[in-house]
Amino acid sequence: AQSVTQLDSHVSVSEGTPVLLRCNYSSSYSPSLFWYVQHPNKGLQLLLKYTSAATLVKGINGFEAEFKKSETSFHLTKPSAHMSDAAEYFCVVSDLGNKLVFGAGTILRVKS
Amino acid sequence: DGGITQSPKYLFRKEGQNVTLSCEQNLNHDAMYWYRQDPGQGLRLIYYSQIVNDFQKGDIAEGYSVSREKKESFPLTVTSAQKNPTAFYLCASTTGGGANVLTFGAGSRLTVL
Repeated sequence: AQSVTQLDSHVSVSEGTPVLLRCNYSSSYSPSLFWYVQHPNKGLQLLLKYTSAATLVKGINGFEAEFKKSETSFHLTKPSAHMSDAAEYFCVVSDLGNKLVFGAGTILRVKS
Repeated sequence: DGGITQSPKYLFRKEGQNVTLSCEQNLNHDAMYWYRQDPGQGLRLIYYSQIVNDFQKGDIAEGYSVSREKKESFPLTVTSAQKNPTAFYLCASTTGGGANVLTFGAGSRLTVL
């Protein structure tokens, strides 16, 4: 069965510094992977997705993620944090049966 | 604009009462989902429906019920049998098939008094 582990429950960065949100996955098949963002009391919005094409995936708002099969990782990065990036981020894996498994989430805090 | 509308946004319920959360989409999506979100636990699947008049249990279906009489609508009833119903509930939809992207509603927060 597939699973997702988000390695940090909270990450705090200063505005203008890089962001790294870590995600490891476990899957028996070649998975599809997603990152979603959720602002307080809102629904989730797709940031980016990986579906076995290029291993470096670019998303919205300057975010990108790299699929590393050897490390079973799909970490989310952004070169320079903005105050509006403060939110909760979810890593999601989809297996061959299209069932989605959500990570527990990482809350990103951006300090001015 | 196309999207998913959930109502009510906030709901308070006394113990022992059933409540129904509404989810309507105008995206012409075939598949619809209900998730429950609790702090630090990510999203857990309650029920999903891939076509009208058909639905399947997810990972935590006990104490919940759904119907899918129209393509656009997928209401969720939280029954008195649900032991701990206080949570944030999210409805989502997708075109179905493949690893499609989910479109989410803004959520409904249920609090049991």
